[in-house]
Amino acid sequence: KAGVTQTPRYLIKTRGQQVTLSCSPISGHRSVSWYQQTPGQGLQFLFEYFSETQRNKGNFPGRFSGRQFSNSRSEMNVSTLELGDSALYLCASSLSLAGYGYTFGSGTRLTVV
Amino acid sequence: TQLLEQSPQFLSIQEGENLTVYCNSSSVFSSLQWYRQEPGEGPVLLVTVVTGGEVKKLKRLTFQFGDARKDSSLHITAAQPGDTGLYLCAGATLTSGTYKYIFGTGTRLKVLA
Repeated sequence: KAGVTQTPRYLIKTRGQQVTLSCSPISGHRSVSWYQQTPGQGLQFLFEYFSETQRNKGNFPGRFSGRQFSNSRSEMNVSTLELGDSALYLCASSLSLAGYGYTFGSGTRLTVV
Repeated sequence: TQLLEQSPQFLSIQEGENLTVYCNSSSVFSSLQWYRQEPGEGPVLLVTVVTGGEVKKLKRLTFQFGDARKDSSLHITAAQPGDTGLYLCAGATLTSGTYKYIFGTGTRLKVLA
């Protein structure tokens, strides 16, 4: 079966712009989480959605937002981009909220210049 | 703030050697996962352990969850170049009815042929 699909794979944006990243979870998976990965900070949790509801949110500024659609696909948006937002953004899906781990996508590499 | 410390941070070994990676925290986890991540890709789930003292084997990889469910280890026997990658542990805690994950700082392993 298809894995977690993230688009686009690479993105270059200018400081001050906004960006939308997309994630299609594994078919049947209703939970989608987003993480930011940087060399210095490792994997940092952004937010988690289940059945279109945000269940958890990490410690990121309000410029970072997300949503989940009825088909479980999810998007995250970053407004007013800063240089420090350059990172690998990873989407992960799971069948339930049972705490047994995720299936990650390949990520979107965002570079802010 | 919950922390999950991994050691060592970096490991470079020859093919055929054995190695152990450690994941330690002062927090008790409901479950703990190990992932392997290759450059440009998302982490891939290797195993989930849920019971204190539990040992799981995946071919040449042996995972152990500490009796108090605060720490874990990953032992690789006869390492091969294909084992090269970033190894991440992640602990799940149940808070207010939802699971939250803390990711470890990572161990970057390089196996030389």
